[in-house]
Amino acid sequence: SYVLTQPPSVSVAPGQTARITCGGNNIGSKSVHWYQQKPGQAPVLVVYDDSDRPSGIPERFSGSNSGNTATLTISRVEAGDEADYYCQVWDSSSDHQAVFGGGTQLTVL
Amino acid sequence: QVQLQESGPGLVKPSETLSLTCAVSGYSISSGYYWGWIRQPPGKGLEWIGSIYHSGSTYYNPSLKSRVTISVDTSKNQFSLKLSSVTAADTAVYYCARSPVEVPGSNWFDPWGQGTLVTVSS
Repeated sequence: SYVLTQPPSVSVAPGQTARITCGGNNIGSKSVHWYQQKPGQAPVLVVYDDSDRPSGIPERFSGSNSGNTATLTISRVEAGDEADYYCQVWDSSSDHQAVFGGGTQLTVL
Repeated sequence: QVQLQESGPGLVKPSETLSLTCAVSGYSISSGYYWGWIRQPPGKGLEWIGSIYHSGSTYYNPSLKSRVTISVDTSKNQFSLKLSSVTAADTAVYYCARSPVEVPGSNWFDPWGQGTLVTVSS
């Protein structure tokens, strides 16, 4: 089955840029979606189809996807961005299935 | 505004069947889209369980397929999850969510329900 690999943790100072990666075999050929999950809350979609933002998500959140790596970029990081972030794809290669990465904990220093 | 709400027993005995329902408001399931279940064991990451189209066609996580049934009841505007032969490893927060797509290939999940904790214990 398809595997998505994320770093367990990323740390960044307020006002700086955070980049969270999601690795997968030829992930650039798939659409990648990103979720933010704060403690005790349900996940919230922050980027879909590699780089589109749902309404209500700040422009500070952006995404890119090429080759074997997709990246979620958070510009001008704020304390309120501290959360777990998950990437997700829909794998149609064999069985149709959704696959999540292991998650990355973003710490704002 | 679309809202989803999970409901069901919070405690299930080992070897029994876990049953949850997701009530949808603000959108008619019969209008379309996929509807999914995702779970999260305490302190761990997200695991997709399965998704169902409004017409009833389903996709399941291969690792759970033998134990999972997802069904839809358009008359009640809700969809349901059954997971049989549960063990302690099935203890998790269970979420339901909408995938606003008509054709599988780029299914994302938005919005999500608030989640419900199901504990498997005797």
